[in-house]
Amino acid sequence: DTGVSQDPRHKITKRGQNVTFRCDPISEHNRLYWYRQTLGQGPEFLTYFQNEAQLEKSRLLSDRFSAERPKGSFSTLEIQRTEQGDSAMYLCASSLGSLDTQYFGPGTRLTVL
Amino acid sequence: AQSVTQPDIHITVSEGASLELRCNYSYGATPYLFWYVQSPGQGLQLLLKYFSGDTLVQGIKGFEAEFKRSQSSFNLRKPSVHWSDAAEYFCAVGEGSGTYKYIFGTGTRLKVLA
Repeated sequence: DTGVSQDPRHKITKRGQNVTFRCDPISEHNRLYWYRQTLGQGPEFLTYFQNEAQLEKSRLLSDRFSAERPKGSFSTLEIQRTEQGDSAMYLCASSLGSLDTQYFGPGTRLTVL
Repeated sequence: AQSVTQPDIHITVSEGASLELRCNYSYGATPYLFWYVQSPGQGLQLLLKYFSGDTLVQGIKGFEAEFKRSQSSFNLRKPSVHWSDAAEYFCAVGEGSGTYKYIFGTGTRLKVLA
């Protein structure tokens, strides 16, 4: 069990650029969640997958955001036309099933200049 | 709507002193409750969780928490704080219908004085 991994750990980009983050969940975990954490706040839910199906998206997830989990394993989160307000820590978590504990990765810190 | 309140933004304690971090939740059904710890630049590490049963739950690193339904609280305690406990602590409630997403409080930052 190597834990949840995320790549990159840090990303600095200019406003208007596109960025993509990757999350590798714990092996055999069916559920994968994305959260966003801004300075001084707790994480906020963005979206989640049950295997490869994206089952819920938060209203925080504007149409500039898209997430995929094509084979039910790793997931990507893409932000198009980044804005300064997108600067945050993006956290990924996985769980074995619906009621099981979510295990979090180290996060990707995005800074939009 | 479900919510979690952590009334204390910052807490400072001396090393060796006892600690209690407060957490109040608003949730209609039986809550699934969690405490996570986050060190600077790091992800969230689970300290303990409550799903059902004994209302006093033990966690890692000597932490415990008590679920009090009548007070809608799930306070985190530790009898003797170590300098390495300095971090940010988050209480969360698991939404128990379908998504099972977590709703987090705003966190309490703990400072430990030597």
